[in-house]
Amino acid sequence: AQTVTQSQPEMSVQEAETVTLSCTYDTSESDYYLFWYKQPPSRQMILVIRQEAYKQQNATENRFSVNFQKAAKSFSLKISDSQLGDAAMYFCAYRSHRLGGAQKLVFGQGTRLTINP
Amino acid sequence: DTAVSQTPKYLVTQMGNDKSIKCEQNLGHDTMYWYKQDSKKFLKIMFSYNNKELIINETVPNRFSPKSPDKAHLNLHINSLELGDSAVYFCASSPGGETQYFGPGTRLLVL
Repeated sequence: AQTVTQSQPEMSVQEAETVTLSCTYDTSESDYYLFWYKQPPSRQMILVIRQEAYKQQNATENRFSVNFQKAAKSFSLKISDSQLGDAAMYFCAYRSHRLGGAQKLVFGQGTRLTINP
Repeated sequence: DTAVSQTPKYLVTQMGNDKSIKCEQNLGHDTMYWYKQDSKKFLKIMFSYNNKELIINETVPNRFSPKSPDKAHLNLHINSLELGDSAVYFCASSPGGETQYFGPGTRLLVL
C-alpha cells in the first residue's frame, strides 16, 4: 500500500520570503499523480498544484512550484513571496494512475504553515 | 455557484442517533468520494462511487452507508452514532480518475 509522509508538522516563514514544505511517498508503481492541497481555517480543501509522475518537468502555478524527484520519491512544495493568505494546513497526496478502487487519494499528515508579518 | 456542496455544514447530535449528510456536485463528474478528517487533521478515504456504482469501500463500520441516487449526488448515512464518529466529513468529485475537488466539509460532533 502506498504511504505519504510529511515530516514537518509545522513551518513558519516571514511574509515575502520563500518556504519549502517536504513530502516523501512510498509506492511500487511507476505511474501516479501527486498533489498539494491547502486547507485554510475555513476548512475548505483547495487544490494548489498537481504533478504527473511521467512528466519530468516540475509543475508550477504562479508562486507555487514543486521539486519532484521520482527516484528519491520526494515531492516538495516551494512557496515564493509568501503572503498572509498562504497561512494554512498543506497536505501532500498520492493517487495511483490505475482506476477503480485505486483512485483514492492517500494523504500525508499535513504541515501547518504560519506566515509572520 | 458552488461546485461541490454539502449539507449540513455543522451537525451536533447525541450518541445513538442516526444522521445523514448530503453531497451534490454540479460539475458533471462521474466519480464521487467521502473522506473523513479526524481530530488530528488526518484525511482518509471512506467510500467512492462511479456512476452510482460503489468502487471503494474502505474498512468502515457497517453503521456507515453511502447512497448514490444519481451521478450528481452521494449521501452518507450514519446509524447509531458514537463519540468516535466526531470528525469533519468531506465529499469530493472527479471526472473519472482525475483531480478531485472537495466540498466545504461537514463538522459532526457527537455528544
